[in-house]
Amino acid sequence: ILNVEQSPQSLHVQEGDSTNFTCSFPSSNFYALHWYRWETAKSPEALFVMTLNGDEKKKGRISATLNTKEGYSYLYIKGSQPEDSATYLCAWRTGANNLFFGTGTRLTVIP
Amino acid sequence: SAVISQKPSRDICQRGTSLTIQCQVDSQVTMMFWYRQQPGQSLTLIATANQGSEATYESGFVIDKFPISRPNLTFSTLTVSNMSPEDSSIYLCSLREALDNEQFFGPGTRLTVL
Repeated sequence: ILNVEQSPQSLHVQEGDSTNFTCSFPSSNFYALHWYRWETAKSPEALFVMTLNGDEKKKGRISATLNTKEGYSYLYIKGSQPEDSATYLCAWRTGANNLFFGTGTRLTVIP
Repeated sequence: SAVISQKPSRDICQRGTSLTIQCQVDSQVTMMFWYRQQPGQSLTLIATANQGSEATYESGFVIDKFPISRPNLTFSTLTVSNMSPEDSSIYLCSLREALDNEQFFGPGTRLTVL
C-alpha cells in the first residue's frame, strides 16, 4: 500500500507563532519528497524537493527536513503570518512518473 | 518555471454530459500529467499525456472515461465523459521538464456534476 499521511489534518495558529507539521511515507523505494503550498483557486506552489536522507532546506521562514530511513519529513514555519494560510501538501516519489500525495495540512493563521 | 493555464476554471455540469478541459503551457515541456482531487481526498494521478501517442493511464482510470489528447509539447486536453456526481473534483494538469526536475501544476478546474 502506497500511503502518504500528513498530520495534523488542520490547525489554527496565532500570527507570530511558529508551527510544524508532519509527512510520513513508505521508506522503501524512495526517490524524492516534494512539498507544496496550495491556496484556494491558485496553482499548488512548489516549495521543496528533497532527495537525500538528512536533507534540510529553507525558503524564507519555511524550512523542511527529511528522514528517508524512518520515512518522515517535517515542515516548519517560523513566525506565521496570515498570508501563510494555505493547505500544505507533501508528495512521495518512487522514481517513476507518479507523485503520491497526502491529503494535506490546512493551516489557518489568525491575525 | 513555465506558466500553466487551464480552461475552464470551473464548471457545473449535468449528469451524463461530457466536459473537455484544456491545459496550455507557455513553453515546450517533456512530461505532462493530469491529476484530480476528489473532495476530502488526496491528489491522484489520472494519466501521463504523451505527445503524439496514446496517454498512459493509472490503475482505476480508463481511456473511454478520460480521453486525453496531446497534439504538441505545449497543449493537452482531458475530457471527463458521461459524467456522474462522483466525478465532481478539481482537475489539474501538471508538467515536469525532465525526470529529475521539479513538478509544477496548473490552477485547476473545479467541476461540479449535478
